[in-house]
Amino acid sequence: DVKVTQSSRYLVKRTGEKVFLECVQDMDHENMFWYRQDPGLGLRLIYFSYDVKMKEKGDIPEGYSVSREKKERFSLILESASTNQTSMYLCASSLWTGQRESTDTQYFGPGTRLTVL
Amino acid sequence: GDSVTQMEGPVTLSEEAFLTINCTYTATGYPSLFWYVQYPGEGLQLLLKATKADDKGSNKGFEATYRKETTSFHLEKGSVQVSDSAVYFCARTSGTYKYIFGTGTRLKVLA
Repeated sequence: DVKVTQSSRYLVKRTGEKVFLECVQDMDHENMFWYRQDPGLGLRLIYFSYDVKMKEKGDIPEGYSVSREKKERFSLILESASTNQTSMYLCASSLWTGQRESTDTQYFGPGTRLTVL
Repeated sequence: GDSVTQMEGPVTLSEEAFLTINCTYTATGYPSLFWYVQYPGEGLQLLLKATKADDKGSNKGFEATYRKETTSFHLEKGSVQVSDSAVYFCARTSGTYKYIFGTGTRLKVLA
């Protein structure tokens, strides 16, 4: 069974703290993604990675950075957490099909609900 | 840019009622289309998908048909159950890597 795991289900941090969210997938997928989910806004892409050490900005990268040192692991870093980063963070992975338009499914982790006080 | 529009919720139905959740997408490229479901406190799970025009995706009694002429991918189920209460997301691919999601439709089924 395919699996994407996230390091924490719930996290509470203080403003200004550096926060690490970890994601691990066991499907040997090339592509990994970080989204944040907010009521009424759906899922918004923060960053994605299509290979080890490769990353691309998504729609809302400000205030975030990412790291992908190993194929199975993709980390989201909040350099200095702020209250407006309180949200649900979802990690996902997918296979690279090599097609101009992907046909593969994205597989999601259970999410990390982050509260910044 | 590419986008997905789905009906606003919440949708409240009685058990065994017929469900339709509308979804339309921008007609750029040749996207694959997906419906995902999110149960409370969990991540998104794939419900069904279709990769080309006229394909029908189906799973657990849910169905959706890829309609290129109307740029739609509406989700249907003939008889909903209380256990179907969740948030449903329509999504399309956008190029080699990216996926675009709708804002989600919350479904509540009453016994």
